[in-house]
Amino acid sequence: DIQMTQSPSSLSASVGDRVSITCRASQSISSYLNWYQQKPGKAPKLLIYAASSLQSGIPSRFSGSGSGTDFTLTISSLQPEDFATYYCQQSYSTRYTFGQGTKLEIK
Amino acid sequence: EVQLLESGGGLVQPGGSLRLSCAASGFTFTSYAIHWVRQAPGKGLEWVAAISGSGGVTYYADSVKGRFTISRDNSKKTLYLQMNSLRAEDTAVYYCAKEFQVLEEPHLDCWGQGTLVTVSS
Repeated sequence: DIQMTQSPSSLSASVGDRVSITCRASQSISSYLNWYQQKPGKAPKLLIYAASSLQSGIPSRFSGSGSGTDFTLTISSLQPEDFATYYCQQSYSTRYTFGQGTKLEIK
Repeated sequence: EVQLLESGGGLVQPGGSLRLSCAASGFTFTSYAIHWVRQAPGKGLEWVAAISGSGGVTYYADSVKGRFTISRDNSKKTLYLQMNSLRAEDTAVYYCAKEFQVLEEPHLDCWGQGTLVTVSS
């Protein structure tokens, strides 16, 4: 199976900060990379698909980049509602795999 | 509005069985693959299984292969996960999620609220 590794595992930041989360695949996955946001007690929500396409209804402060094995999720100016856990997920293989998650906390 | 609603979770003893259901509405059910994803308490997301829109193709994670069976009844717009030989490590919230493809790049665009399965004696 394709392994997905996110860094950092946790991150403290302030409202208004620009933050980036990285995700590395154990093999090339082209652009078959998606990003999800999850808040406590809630289901995950799709933010970015195909590495850089913004899902409908998601604010433009979220962006994604990368291809091959290295990917980045960037939040340009953190808002209070953005403090959550973020997961990357590969869909290159039919047996999907997720990164371990990055918990974004308020500094 | 696209909706997925899981049910069937609960407390079960190790070695026991449970069947989860996921009722879909608001979209053409037969046109989309559906996945099960689980999350153990305090842990990350783990993909479990997937089934094609017709039901003819299925995929499983190694951790559940041979114990879990994914199926769907397209006439009822319902997805199932039959879980046998349950273990403590199967304890998790189980989500069903709809797959969508844009230019053949798949992603999970709609998720249910989840149902909790607890395996304990």
